[in-house]
Amino acid sequence: DAKTTQPNSMESNEEEPVHLPCNHSTISGTDYIHWYRQLPSQGPEYVIHGLTSNVNNRMASLAIAEDRKSSTLILHRATLRDAAVYYCILRRSSGSARQLTFGSGTQLTVLP
Amino acid sequence: NAGVTQTPKFQVLKTGQSMTLQCAQDMNHEYMSWYRQDPGMGLRLIHYSVGAGITDQGEVPNGYNVSRSTTEDFPLRLLSAAPSQTSVYFCASSYDRAPYEQYFGPGTRLTVT
Repeated sequence: DAKTTQPNSMESNEEEPVHLPCNHSTISGTDYIHWYRQLPSQGPEYVIHGLTSNVNNRMASLAIAEDRKSSTLILHRATLRDAAVYYCILRRSSGSARQLTFGSGTQLTVLP
Repeated sequence: NAGVTQTPKFQVLKTGQSMTLQCAQDMNHEYMSWYRQDPGMGLRLIHYSVGAGITDQGEVPNGYNVSRSTTEDFPLRLLSAAPSQTSVYFCASSYDRAPYEQYFGPGTRLTVT
């Protein structure tokens, strides 16, 4: 299975943009890129996903490199509530498509 | 909608005891799954189900049983608890179609002494 690499931790100031990087150099052409986050003492929650094009939703934006070997989750204005572990996950388009393989993610700290 | 609910929130077991962790969802999702999360680590898949009567093993199935008699419920049974099963357990559900956006429950924190 293709693997993702994320920094262990990042810090951001409140109300500033945050760019969370993810490398996935062995991604296959049909793998989707999913992002989940886990707030303290809670279950993970879905943030966003994409295949090739950049994506926006109410929570965040996902920027995908043209060669798809990396992606960046963008939080446009970080709030204290955004402090969480962010997981970048590759999901296959068939076979084990339903299964998510979690790495250790990036711990985001938001400073007031 | 209550979403995905899990009971109990906390549980302490002695080695060798058995118990069932409950999971229910009210979104009519076909796919349900159980994960465990050990301290400082990501989640690992234990078992999953794509519908009533259908279950399969994930990455770390040993020591756990599941069954799926209804769409709504997916209980996880610990047959004979061991200290290595001390963990936080999360249940998740999704529609069985892309993008397979999974909804997670709040978790059950289990300690085995």
